Amino acid sequence: GAGVSQSPSNKVTEKGKDVELRCDPISGHTALYWYRQSLGQGLEFLIYFQGNSAPDKSGLPSDRFSAERTGGSVSTLTIQRTQQEDSAVYLCASSSLPTSGGPIQYFGPGTRLTVL
Amino acid sequence: AQSVAQPEDQVNVAEGNPLTVKCTYSVSGNPYLFWYVQYPNRGLQFLLKYITGDNLVKGSYGFEAEFNKSQTSFHLKKPSALVSDSALYFCAVRDGGYSSASKIIFGSGTRLSIRP
Repeated sequence: GAGVSQSPSNKVTEKGKDVELRCDPISGHTALYWYRQSLGQGLEFLIYFQGNSAPDKSGLPSDRFSAERTGGSVSTLTIQRTQQEDSAVYLCASSSLPTSGGPIQYFGPGTRLTVL
Repeated sequence: AQSVAQPEDQVNVAEGNPLTVKCTYSVSGNPYLFWYVQYPNRGLQFLLKYITGDNLVKGSYGFEAEFNKSQTSFHLKKPSALVSDSALYFCAVRDGGYSSASKIIFGSGTRLSIRP
């Protein structure tokens, strides 16, 4: 079955440009997460969408970062005026709302962003 | 606020020996705890989770983890390490209230290296 997909797989951009990263979650999954993984570093939480609730944006590092989720499905992470420190792998994950227990996240392959 | 710590950046073990990867957490309510693994050039994969019940949880690839409430720990273990276990391991925690607003956050990761 189809897993979480992300596009593009690689993005090289110049400092100061805007970029959009796309995530297609598993069909029917109500929760969607964005994380950032810098080289050799752990997973940094960015933003969390759950159904129709207001997203948890507490992990966004600055106001240059924003995300939306249209129709409860596809999500786009936008980074404006990119900086070199934004270079990282951006990971998307989705999960269903469990009837019991904690949700298992299914991760996409990530988008590797390089800001020159 | 919830948090999770992996105190070791790297763990080195000889093949056939037991391994332990440490994780401690902090949440306001009861925790949902997870371990994920990231093999080289592959996406993050779920290994196991603790929700409630037995403190010893068994997961994929022969791994298990022990939940210790008094020590707020959830260490990952395997009785006999394989070279193929070499990967990056992440511990994650979610505040276990059923609030759908509760996000999942990850530790900084521990690189496990198994030598032949």
